[in-house]
Amino acid sequence: DAGITQSPRHKVTETGTPVTLRCHQTENHRYMYWYRQDPGHGLRLIHYSYGVKDTDKGEVSDGYSVSRSKTEDFLLTLESATSSQTSVYFCAISGLQGGSYNEQFFGPGTRLTVL
Amino acid sequence: GEDVEQSLFLSVREGDSSVINCTYTDSSSTYLYWYKQEPGAGLQLLTYIFSNMDMKQDQRLTVLLNKKDKHLSLRIADTQTGDSAIYFCAEDTGRRALTFGSGTRLQVQP
Repeated sequence: DAGITQSPRHKVTETGTPVTLRCHQTENHRYMYWYRQDPGHGLRLIHYSYGVKDTDKGEVSDGYSVSRSKTEDFLLTLESATSSQTSVYFCAISGLQGGSYNEQFFGPGTRLTVL
Repeated sequence: GEDVEQSLFLSVREGDSSVINCTYTDSSSTYLYWYKQEPGAGLQLLTYIFSNMDMKQDQRLTVLLNKKDKHLSLRIADTQTGDSAIYFCAEDTGRRALTFGSGTRLQVQP
């Protein structure tokens, strides 16, 4: 299994508070991604990074920001958490090997509940 | 993930074949993927197919690709209870990210 961890694994917070989720990899992969998983929606991309300090928005980026100051860490911040951000958050990494082949390796997920 | 469509649920008996279907949107997708998610875990790549192929077989798994109809299917032969999971198809949209379907929950009855 790819070396990818997420912390915390579970978090309960209140509306309006800031929350930061951390993704850490030991694979030295260039690409890192944050997804959220909700029933009936599958996985939706929030933000991704294609290198240190290089990030781009996904399809559901409103209310989220990210930072990547070093290869191994990709942080997802909810500036002011809302109940609609209650979800399971997955981090993924990819080395984009062999041309466009983009196998992504997923972390175990963080279950976030916003009350 | 609304652009990639999958049926939500499939129930089969142990030993039967399972067929999970997916309709994708981007005709320029080079690779299409099937991921498996077991309860409480992240997704794991199960298999993939390159767009210039019609079929790929890997042990009990067979992937069929119909590019004209943008239809992808995953067949699991001799389905076992350990195959019970959620299965996601995904397409490469060329943005260095993947677009996932909403997932098909496979339930295998003994």
